Amino acid sequence: AQSVTQLGSHVSVSEGALVLLRCNYSSSVPPYLFWYVQYPNQGLQLLLKYTTGATLVKGINGFEAEFKKSETSFHLTKPSAHMSDAAEYFCAVSYNDMRFGAGTRLTVKP
Amino acid sequence: EAGVAQSPRYKIIEKRQSVAFWCNPISGHATLYWYQQILGQGPKLLIQFQNNGVVDDSQLPKDRFSAERLKGVDSTLKIQPAKLEDSAVYLCASSLGLPTGALNYGYTFGSGTRLTVV
Repeated sequence: AQSVTQLGSHVSVSEGALVLLRCNYSSSVPPYLFWYVQYPNQGLQLLLKYTTGATLVKGINGFEAEFKKSETSFHLTKPSAHMSDAAEYFCAVSYNDMRFGAGTRLTVKP
Repeated sequence: EAGVAQSPRYKIIEKRQSVAFWCNPISGHATLYWYQQILGQGPKLLIQFQNNGVVDDSQLPKDRFSAERLKGVDSTLKIQPAKLEDSAVYLCASSLGLPTGALNYGYTFGSGTRLTVV
C-alpha cells in the first residue's frame, strides 16, 4: 500500500522568502513521486516528478524536490517565493495508481 | 495539443436528484481516471479505465455512482441519487497508458466539475 502525508495544511511565506512544503511517503515498492499545483477553480498541473535516476528533481516555475529514501521524504522547495506561487500543492505517490496527500495551501505575503 | 475536457464546470442539484458529468480525454490516451476532491482534501481515485475496460473501481460507491467509457474514448460519471456528502469537485484525468512500476506515464487533468448538492 502507498500513501503520502503532507505536513502542514497551510504555509505562509513572504515574497522573496524560501518556500518549503513537506511530503513524506509510505510505499512497499519503489515509489514514484509527484508534486502537483492547483490554482483556484482549475485542475491539477504537474510541477515535477521523480521516477528513477537523479534524486534532485527540477520542475517548472523554479521549483525543485529531493527524493530522500532514508527519510522517506520528497519535500518541495523554491528559493524565492513569488506572489503567483499562491496555490494549493499536492504531493502524490504512484505505482499502479496515483494517491494524493491532503494538500498544502501556500499563501505569499507582499 | 488539446487538454482534457470536462463539462459542465459547475452543477447545483438537490439531494436525491441525479447528475452526470462528461469527460473527453486527450486524443490517444488509453487510460482515463475519475477522481473526487472534497473541499480541503486531496483527490481520491473513484475509477480507472484502460480503453473501455474497468481496471479499478474499488473506491467507487457503486450503490449510487456509475461510470462508463463506451468506445474507449469519452467517459460519463453518474450519481443517482445524490447525497449532500457528494458535494465535491470531480476531476477527470488521462494518460497514455497504465502506470506499471517503472513505466509511469504522466497524468493530465481536466479543470473539473464542481458539484454542489443542497
